[in-house]
Amino acid sequence: DTAVSQTPKYLVTQMGNDKSIKCEQNLGHDTMYWYKQDSKKFLKIMFSYNNKELIINETVPNRFSPKSPDKAHLNLHINSLELGDSAVYFCASSQVGGSSPLHFGNGTRLTVT
Amino acid sequence: EDKVVQSPLSLVVHEGDTVTLNCSYEVTNFRSLLWYKQEKKAPTFLFMLTSSGIEKKSGRLSSILDKKELFSILNITATQTGDSAIYLCAVPDRNQFYFGTGTSLTVIP
Repeated sequence: DTAVSQTPKYLVTQMGNDKSIKCEQNLGHDTMYWYKQDSKKFLKIMFSYNNKELIINETVPNRFSPKSPDKAHLNLHINSLELGDSAVYFCASSQVGGSSPLHFGNGTRLTVT
Repeated sequence: EDKVVQSPLSLVVHEGDTVTLNCSYEVTNFRSLLWYKQEKKAPTFLFMLTSSGIEKKSGRLSSILDKKELFSILNITATQTGDSAIYLCAVPDRNQFYFGTGTSLTVIP
């Protein structure tokens, strides 16, 4: 009965490769997010989707492309991976407007070699 | 500019000590302030505060919000080694949650 699940948990890949991370939530939330957590543990928003529509796209390289087939799923595809993309990526969901807590997936630790 | 600022950045205490973590914020339309605890995996939710002066409590943890001065504190009494973690403060604004840099708490036996 996992609330927000993302896969894979770990991803080790070489520079230049393309990879995807999948995320699903069963909380019935309207809004889903991708956050990147760097080595200093700072959580920075990358994307926010509300009912499958992109509403936030922070200054993220266009090598990162989110896709939301329905409001319960938000996947992240990354093209031409670079060393600097190494981080932990968290998927999260909440009700629209921040009226409820943000619920996180367990994270995907991406290592680019 | 930083919307959410936490202090201190890190803290080392002995078991049994009481700690106070601080979070100040600046957002356009305040709705709530949230506290999270992050150990090895994902941040886990602790408290959501919406009203000034009303303390939220869970065991040895408590938190309060001051909407006039735009800050919140998280108190942990009688700390235990299991309290060692990063404590994150977040505020929703304009379709996202802004996080502070976190306070790294280490509790020494």
